[in-house]
Amino acid sequence: DAKTTQPPSMDCAEGRAANLPCNHSTISGNEYVYWYRQIHSQGPQYIIHGLKNNETNEMASLIITEDRKSSTLILPHATLRDTAVYYCIVRPHGSSNTGKLIFGQGTTLQVKP
Amino acid sequence: DSGVTQTPKHLITATGQRVTLRCSPRSGDLSVYWYQQSLDQGLQFLIQYYNGEERAKGNILERFSAQQFPDLHSELNLSSLELGDSALYFCASGHRPSETGELFFGEGSRLTVL
Repeated sequence: DAKTTQPPSMDCAEGRAANLPCNHSTISGNEYVYWYRQIHSQGPQYIIHGLKNNETNEMASLIITEDRKSSTLILPHATLRDTAVYYCIVRPHGSSNTGKLIFGQGTTLQVKP
Repeated sequence: DSGVTQTPKHLITATGQRVTLRCSPRSGDLSVYWYQQSLDQGLQFLIQYYNGEERAKGNILERFSAQQFPDLHSELNLSSLELGDSALYFCASGHRPSETGELFFGEGSRLTVL
Protein backbone atom coordinates (compact mmCIF):
# COMPACT_ATOMS: atom_id res chain seq x y z
CA ASP A 1 0.00 0.00 0.00
CA ALA A 2 1.24 3.49 -0.82
CA LYS A 3 2.60 5.54 2.06
CA THR A 4 1.34 9.03 2.87
CA THR A 5 3.11 12.00 4.40
CA GLN A 6 1.28 14.68 6.35
CA PRO A 7 2.45 17.58 8.51
CA PRO A 8 2.14 16.63 12.19
CA SER A 9 0.16 19.71 13.16
CA MET A 10 -1.60 22.78 11.79
CA ASP A 11 -3.55 25.72 13.19
CA CYS A 12 -6.51 27.44 11.62
CA ALA A 13 -8.61 30.41 12.64
CA GLU A 14 -12.28 29.76 13.22
CA GLY A 15 -14.35 30.65 10.16
CA ARG A 16 -11.40 30.42 7.80
CA ALA A 17 -10.68 27.61 5.36
CA ALA A 18 -8.45 24.82 6.60
CA ASN A 19 -6.23 23.31 3.91
CA LEU A 20 -4.63 20.03 4.92
CA PRO A 21 -1.96 18.66 2.55
CA CYS A 22 -0.99 15.06 1.93
CA ASN A 23 1.77 13.56 -0.18
CA HIS A 24 1.32 10.10 -1.70
CA SER A 25 3.97 10.00 -4.40
CA THR A 26 3.94 6.18 -4.76
CA ILE A 27 0.20 5.88 -5.30
CA SER A 28 -0.91 3.21 -7.77
CA GLY A 29 -3.64 3.32 -10.36
CA ASN A 30 -6.17 1.34 -8.33
CA GLU A 31 -5.59 3.26 -5.11
CA TYR A 32 -8.05 5.83 -3.84
CA VAL A 33 -7.28 8.70 -1.49
CA TYR A 34 -9.42 8.66 1.67
CA TRP A 35 -9.66 11.17 4.47
CA TYR A 36 -10.83 10.35 7.97
CA ARG A 37 -10.74 12.34 11.15
CA GLN A 38 -10.71 11.40 14.82
CA ILE A 39 -12.06 13.76 17.41
CA HIS A 40 -10.51 13.17 20.83
CA SER A 41 -10.49 9.35 21.13
CA GLN A 42 -13.83 8.90 19.40
CA GLY A 43 -14.07 6.42 16.55
CA PRO A 44 -12.58 7.70 13.29
CA GLN A 45 -15.10 9.41 11.03
CA TYR A 46 -15.12 9.24 7.25
CA ILE A 47 -14.84 12.59 5.47
CA ILE A 48 -14.36 12.06 1.75
CA HIS A 49 -12.56 9.98 -0.85
CA GLY A 50 -11.51 10.26 -4.49
CA LEU A 51 -9.57 8.60 -7.27
CA LYS A 52 -8.42 11.37 -9.60
CA ASN A 53 -11.19 13.94 -9.88
CA ASN A 54 -11.83 16.59 -7.31
CA GLU A 55 -14.65 15.73 -4.96
CA THR A 56 -16.94 17.76 -2.73
CA ASN A 57 -19.50 16.79 -0.14
CA GLU A 58 -21.25 18.50 2.73
CA MET A 59 -18.19 18.21 4.96
CA ALA A 60 -15.23 19.05 2.75
CA SER A 61 -13.59 19.24 -0.65
CA LEU A 62 -10.80 17.01 -1.90
CA ILE A 63 -8.36 18.33 -4.47
CA ILE A 64 -6.11 15.73 -6.12
CA THR A 65 -3.24 16.86 -8.33
CA GLU A 66 -3.22 15.72 -11.92
CA ASP A 67 -0.30 13.35 -11.34
CA ARG A 68 -2.14 12.04 -8.22
CA LYS A 69 1.00 12.34 -6.12
CA SER A 70 -0.55 14.73 -3.63
CA SER A 71 -3.89 15.97 -2.43
CA THR A 72 -5.43 18.65 -0.22
CA LEU A 73 -8.42 18.38 2.04
CA ILE A 74 -10.29 21.65 2.37
CA LEU A 75 -12.67 22.44 5.21
CA PRO A 76 -14.25 25.61 3.85
CA HIS A 77 -15.30 27.27 7.11
CA ALA A 78 -13.55 25.64 10.04
CA THR A 79 -15.29 25.60 13.41
CA LEU A 80 -13.99 24.68 16.85
CA ARG A 81 -15.69 21.30 16.42
CA ASP A 82 -13.35 20.56 13.52
CA THR A 83 -10.41 20.32 15.91
CA ALA A 84 -9.25 16.74 15.40
CA VAL A 85 -6.57 14.47 13.98
CA TYR A 86 -6.99 14.18 10.21
CA TYR A 87 -5.76 11.08 8.43
CA CYS A 88 -4.96 10.83 4.73
CA ILE A 89 -5.03 7.19 3.65
CA VAL A 90 -4.33 5.53 0.32
CA ARG A 91 -6.53 2.47 -0.09
CA PRO A 92 -6.50 0.03 -3.00
CA HIS A 93 -9.69 -1.41 -4.40
CA GLY A 94 -10.38 -4.47 -6.45
CA SER A 95 -11.38 -8.08 -5.96
CA SER A 96 -7.99 -9.05 -4.52
CA ASN A 97 -7.93 -6.26 -1.94
CA THR A 98 -9.16 -6.38 1.60
CA GLY A 99 -10.43 -2.83 1.93
CA LYS A 100 -8.56 -2.29 5.17
CA LEU A 101 -7.40 1.19 6.15
CA ILE A 102 -3.82 1.69 7.25
CA PHE A 103 -3.55 4.81 9.41
CA GLY A 104 -0.44 6.95 9.67
CA GLN A 105 0.18 9.59 12.28
CA GLY A 106 -2.13 12.16 10.68
CA THR A 107 -2.28 15.93 11.09
CA THR A 108 -3.55 17.42 14.31
CA LEU A 109 -5.67 20.40 13.30
CA GLN A 110 -6.27 22.96 16.00
CA VAL A 111 -9.02 25.46 15.18
CA LYS A 112 -8.61 28.60 17.25
CA PRO A 113 -11.22 31.24 18.09
CA ASP B 1 -24.29 7.32 15.33
CA SER B 2 -22.27 5.12 12.94
CA GLY B 3 -24.51 2.09 13.42
CA VAL B 4 -21.58 0.02 14.73
CA THR B 5 -22.03 -1.11 18.32
CA GLN B 6 -19.15 -2.06 20.57
CA THR B 7 -19.39 -3.48 24.07
CA PRO B 8 -18.24 -2.98 26.72
CA LYS B 9 -17.35 0.70 26.49
CA HIS B 10 -14.94 0.48 29.40
CA LEU B 11 -13.20 -2.48 30.95
CA ILE B 12 -10.70 -2.66 33.79
CA THR B 13 -8.92 -5.91 34.51
CA ALA B 14 -5.71 -7.32 35.89
CA THR B 15 -2.60 -8.67 34.22
CA GLY B 16 -2.88 -12.29 33.18
CA GLN B 17 -6.63 -12.13 32.71
CA ARG B 18 -8.70 -12.71 29.57
CA VAL B 19 -11.36 -10.41 28.10
CA THR B 20 -13.74 -10.49 25.17
CA LEU B 21 -14.73 -7.42 23.20
CA ARG B 22 -17.84 -7.53 21.06
CA CYS B 23 -18.75 -5.71 17.87
CA SER B 24 -22.03 -5.58 16.00
CA PRO B 25 -21.58 -4.21 12.49
CA ARG B 26 -23.96 -1.95 10.63
CA SER B 27 -26.95 -3.73 9.19
CA GLY B 28 -25.97 -5.21 5.84
CA ASP B 29 -22.22 -4.86 6.30
CA LEU B 30 -20.29 -8.09 5.77
CA SER B 31 -16.80 -6.97 6.76
CA VAL B 32 -15.52 -6.30 10.25
CA TYR B 33 -12.14 -4.75 11.00
CA TRP B 34 -10.46 -4.52 14.42
CA TYR B 35 -8.02 -1.79 15.38
CA GLN B 36 -5.95 -1.06 18.48
CA GLN B 37 -5.05 2.47 19.50
CA SER B 38 -2.57 2.97 22.28
CA LEU B 39 -0.98 6.28 23.24
CA ASP B 40 2.36 5.62 21.61
CA GLN B 41 1.30 3.51 18.63
CA GLY B 42 -1.56 5.26 16.89
CA LEU B 43 -4.28 3.27 15.14
CA GLN B 44 -2.99 -0.22 14.36
CA PHE B 45 -4.89 -2.64 12.14
CA LEU B 46 -5.30 -6.00 13.85
CA ILE B 47 -7.52 -8.28 11.79
CA GLN B 48 -10.38 -8.35 9.29
CA TYR B 49 -13.23 -10.77 8.74
CA TYR B 50 -15.49 -10.93 5.72
CA ASN B 51 -18.70 -12.93 5.86
CA GLY B 52 -17.37 -15.17 8.60
CA GLU B 53 -13.92 -15.80 7.14
CA GLU B 54 -10.62 -14.22 8.12
CA ARG B 55 -9.58 -11.97 5.25
CA ALA B 56 -6.53 -10.04 6.44
CA LYS B 57 -4.24 -10.05 9.40
CA GLY B 58 -2.21 -7.15 10.68
CA ASN B 59 -0.16 -6.64 13.81
CA ILE B 60 -2.20 -8.99 15.97
CA LEU B 61 -0.43 -10.75 18.82
CA GLU B 62 -0.70 -14.52 19.22
CA ARG B 63 -2.40 -13.90 22.58
CA PHE B 64 -5.23 -12.22 20.69
CA SER B 65 -7.81 -13.97 18.55
CA ALA B 66 -11.01 -13.02 16.83
CA GLN B 67 -13.93 -14.54 15.03
CA GLN B 68 -17.01 -13.49 13.12
CA PHE B 69 -20.23 -15.37 13.76
CA PRO B 70 -23.02 -16.33 11.32
CA ASP B 71 -25.05 -13.30 12.41
CA LEU B 72 -21.97 -11.23 11.42
CA HIS B 73 -21.14 -9.92 14.87
CA SER B 74 -17.50 -10.28 15.84
CA GLU B 75 -15.58 -10.87 19.02
CA LEU B 76 -11.98 -10.03 19.83
CA ASN B 77 -10.48 -12.19 22.56
CA LEU B 78 -7.46 -10.89 24.46
CA SER B 79 -5.71 -13.31 26.80
CA SER B 80 -2.76 -13.30 29.20
CA LEU B 81 -3.19 -9.57 29.38
CA GLU B 82 -0.20 -7.33 29.94
CA LEU B 83 0.02 -3.71 30.99
CA GLY B 84 0.89 -2.77 27.42
CA ASP B 85 -2.42 -4.09 26.15
CA SER B 86 -4.15 -1.11 27.71
CA ALA B 87 -5.63 0.72 24.75
CA LEU B 88 -8.72 1.71 22.86
CA TYR B 89 -10.00 -1.08 20.64
CA PHE B 90 -12.10 -0.02 17.67
CA CYS B 91 -14.24 -2.08 15.41
CA ALA B 92 -15.22 -0.91 11.94
CA SER B 93 -17.60 -2.37 9.42
CA GLY B 94 -17.97 -2.10 5.69
CA HIS B 95 -19.68 -3.83 2.82
CA ARG B 96 -17.62 -5.70 0.25
CA PRO B 97 -13.84 -5.14 0.53
CA SER B 98 -13.48 -4.71 -3.21
CA GLU B 99 -15.90 -1.81 -3.29
CA THR B 100 -15.10 1.82 -2.63
CA GLY B 101 -16.85 3.51 0.22
CA GLU B 102 -16.40 4.31 3.81
CA LEU B 103 -15.76 2.13 6.79
CA PHE B 104 -17.94 2.92 9.78
CA PHE B 105 -16.25 2.90 13.18
CA GLY B 106 -17.73 2.20 16.55
CA GLU B 107 -17.01 4.30 19.60
CA GLY B 108 -14.47 1.83 20.89
CA SER B 109 -13.84 -0.26 23.97
CA ARG B 110 -11.36 1.23 26.40
CA LEU B 111 -9.34 -1.51 28.08
CA THR B 112 -7.27 -0.76 31.17
CA VAL B 113 -4.97 -3.49 32.46
CA LEU B 114 -3.73 -2.96 36.01
